[in-house]
Amino acid sequence: QSVLTQPPSASGTPGQRVTISCSGSSSNIGSNTVNWYQQLPGTAPKLLIYSNNQRPSGVPDRFSGSKSGTSASLAISGLQSEDEADYYCAAWDDSLNGHVVFGGGTKLTVL
Amino acid sequence: QVQLQQWGAGLLKPSETLSLTCAVYGGSFSGYYWSWIRQPPGKGLEWIGEINHSGSTNYNPSLKSRVTISVDTSKNQFSLKLSSVTAADTAVYYCARGRMFRVDCSSTSCPPDVWGKGTTVTVSS
Repeated sequence: QSVLTQPPSASGTPGQRVTISCSGSSSNIGSNTVNWYQQLPGTAPKLLIYSNNQRPSGVPDRFSGSKSGTSASLAISGLQSEDEADYYCAAWDDSLNGHVVFGGGTKLTVL
Repeated sequence: QVQLQQWGAGLLKPSETLSLTCAVYGGSFSGYYWSWIRQPPGKGLEWIGEINHSGSTNYNPSLKSRVTISVDTSKNQFSLKLSSVTAADTAVYYCARGRMFRVDCSSTSCPPDVWGKGTTVTVSS
């Protein structure tokens, strides 16, 4: 059972806008910034969004992040077939001397 | 540009100790915490712990009793040991760059950003 809660699956057609939610608590998302990762099959996770809404160099602006209270969201606009992947959220949790917590992951299918 | 290269034994028997090492190339080694994360087959990511250049560690509370993370600053390397492994420890293990040293996670990114390619570890008798 992951500390951060994500829907197990999401889907959309090419060109659509899709959002993935990530719910936490006051000790993690409520207090600290959120990262999002994209994981293609058989590869390591890749940083997609950091500090709630910042994109690393090279990440298309089709990807955006937001945070409100104890929840965060990842939005993907202009959905493309290559966006089919697993997406994870993560945050620092202040409890028990501090540690990183992840969401359970969302499998995005492009129909 | 920072790169992480990891290695270690891929097949263990129950009760043995898992041992992995990660080398950091490029960028600042002393300015960050360095992390281990694992992913069981078909499942999500689990943070194992982190260490900084001075040896200060933080561990996942659920694994703390079996985990030791160490650092060798002369080689810009850090290592993971997980004792008394069982089949439940079968996973891909990733090393990654964690939070910057002495930052406020309320305003700065703290989860890992740069990841190694992963090492598959299987525990089987």
